[in-house]
Amino acid sequence: AQSVTQLGSHVSVSEGALVLLRCNYSSSVPPYLFWYVQYPNQGLQLLLKYTTGATLVKGINGFEAEFKKSETSFHLTKPSAHMSDAAEYFCAVKRANFGNEKLTFGTGTRLTIIP
Amino acid sequence: DAGVTQSPTHLIKTRGQQVTLRCSPKSGHDTVSWYQQALGQGPQFIFQYYEEEERQRGNFPDRFSGHQFPNYSSELNVNALLLGDSALYLCASSLQAVGAFFGQGTRLTVV
Repeated sequence: AQSVTQLGSHVSVSEGALVLLRCNYSSSVPPYLFWYVQYPNQGLQLLLKYTTGATLVKGINGFEAEFKKSETSFHLTKPSAHMSDAAEYFCAVKRANFGNEKLTFGTGTRLTIIP
Repeated sequence: DAGVTQSPTHLIKTRGQQVTLRCSPKSGHDTVSWYQQALGQGPQFIFQYYEEEERQRGNFPDRFSGHQFPNYSSELNVNALLLGDSALYLCASSLQAVGAFFGQGTRLTVV
């Protein structure tokens, strides 16, 4: 079974500062890893994903994440926060096998940007 | 490309009633999954449909059922509604490992 732990249910950063949202996963098989963003009263938007290959993946809106197998982590970063980044962020994992599309999500991190 | 569309966006039902939610997947996607997101929580997997059959199911009671049509659209049915069924219901469509794309969700309130 897979699981995801997001450390910090709330994170506040100043505009222009580094954003770091933490995600650790547990999986008995090679995982696919995802970050989604959710704005108020909306669905989830895919930010980026790791499947195979390069462990540093770049996504939309200047976000990137690095897959570290030894640390079972997939932390999300952005060098300079913007006010529009304020939202809820979810890390998710799924088993890397054909026919399995089930995503297991963490409980989310609410990002607040301080002007 | 309209992306994943869900209807209705909001609805209110009374305990004990039945509800049907609808989802049209992103063009070219053949797999539809449904998730329940309670307030302040991450989405929880309900089930997934592929080729008109339920392929995977999460830890939800039989009151939750679904259907997928030949055009890949899908319905989620919930019978005998409980107050605890109040949540945002998200539909996601996908094609193999490209990642799931989510709709805007249906906000269900049970009173």
